[in-house]
Amino acid sequence: EVQLVQSGAEVKKPGESLKISCKGSGYSFTSYWIGWVRQMPGKGLEWMGIIYPGDSDTRYSPSFQGQVTISADKSISTAYLQWSSLKASDTAMYYCARWTIYGDYVWFDPWGQGTLVTVSS
Amino acid sequence: EIVLTQSPGTLSLSPGERATLSCRASQSVSSSYLAWYQQKPGQAPRLLIYGASSRATGIPDRFSGSGSGTDFTLTISRLEPEDFAVYYCQQYGSSVTFGPGTKVDIK
Repeated sequence: EVQLVQSGAEVKKPGESLKISCKGSGYSFTSYWIGWVRQMPGKGLEWMGIIYPGDSDTRYSPSFQGQVTISADKSISTAYLQWSSLKASDTAMYYCARWTIYGDYVWFDPWGQGTLVTVSS
Repeated sequence: EIVLTQSPGTLSLSPGERATLSCRASQSVSSSYLAWYQQKPGQAPRLLIYGASSRATGIPDRFSGSGSGTDFTLTISRLEPEDFAVYYCQQYGSSVTFGPGTKVDIK
């Protein structure tokens, strides 16, 4: 079964750093892009960026460029999303999802279960 | 960046009724790059439709997608109790964007 399992919920203070993870299993981790999606409380989905674990090629949404860092460790089939200095406005649910390219088609599937990040003083 | 607009924002219907959800793009989108997702409260999104009209594995045939260019539609032919949720369209052009979502709730 293709699966993405994310790290657990985090509670942090403004200014702190954080790295959350997304571990893939059931498929060749290095052959598919992994994307990150933010969902702020009560809001919609926002694409943050994607990474290709095979060579660490990374693309960011202009809205998130410079705000977060996406990385991957292919030796342990894990992708990461990190912040160097959190803000209260980073409070959200963060999802990872496999970006599948099949012929002319592309889609996000499956999705991880989500990691809730709460930033509060 | 391509902006997706979904309408209506909320659709109030009864089980057994037909739901028609619209997704409009600010510029033309390749049908191959248009997908629909369902999200229930407390759950991650789930892929329903890719390529504008192809159902993902395990998706019931009451869900169908259509459209091209700038106008796309998700239709649920007869609403089941488990279909009340939020639905998002998503496109991939030079970047990825999601629509703001349509909530289908029980009338």
